[in-house]
Amino acid sequence: DGGITQSPKYLFRKEGQNVTLSCEQNLNHDAMYWYRQDPGQGLRLIYYSQIVNDFQKGDIAEGYSVSREKKESFPLTVTSAQKNPTAFYLCASSEPTDTEAFFGQGTRLTVV
Amino acid sequence: GEDVEQSLFLSVREGDSSVINCTYTDSSSTYLYWYKQEPGAGLQLLTYIFSNMDMKQDQRLTVLLNKKDKHLSLRIADTQTGDSAIYFCAEARARNAGNMLTFGGGTRLMVKP
Repeated sequence: DGGITQSPKYLFRKEGQNVTLSCEQNLNHDAMYWYRQDPGQGLRLIYYSQIVNDFQKGDIAEGYSVSREKKESFPLTVTSAQKNPTAFYLCASSEPTDTEAFFGQGTRLTVV
Repeated sequence: GEDVEQSLFLSVREGDSSVINCTYTDSSSTYLYWYKQEPGAGLQLLTYIFSNMDMKQDQRLTVLLNKKDKHLSLRIADTQTGDSAIYFCAEARARNAGNMLTFGGGTRLMVKP
């Protein structure tokens, strides 16, 4: 089945460590996105990529990094520079001009 | 600014209609969306409306758009307990010809049996 897969579902990180969240899609979509969701808040855009080997900062990119070496993969690294990393992270993909973005099931990151 | 706002919480009884409201500020929005999020899960697209439409109906869902007031609503007829979730409205805005979404904070719908 076509879809978008995030792993792991739950992730724990010690303060000061970098951690990478995986996002893979087999929908053949050009565009991929990372959002952050905090309790009681909407989704905020971290980074997006509209084509392989290209990505742009979203509204809250500080403390995060991404890569887009393959069309189907868009990993997000949460660096130690991110001051408040505990959140629910959602990855999405779409065709840039399509009306629908498909979301993964999310990764809940907790800093311990 | 580009804000999307929703009320935080709505409680209804099973079988009643639910109406979830949303306001937005960006008059250049092309599409407006309603997404549903169940606990611990990703977002599922429920329906969307193009900005030149006033209304769209899809089975139990009715979307109303008042472009003058920048007000969007989602009506769920015959609400069921399985409709309990968080509902997000979102607007699409052009950014480098992409399809960026700006989300509201979500409305938690609780359906009581």
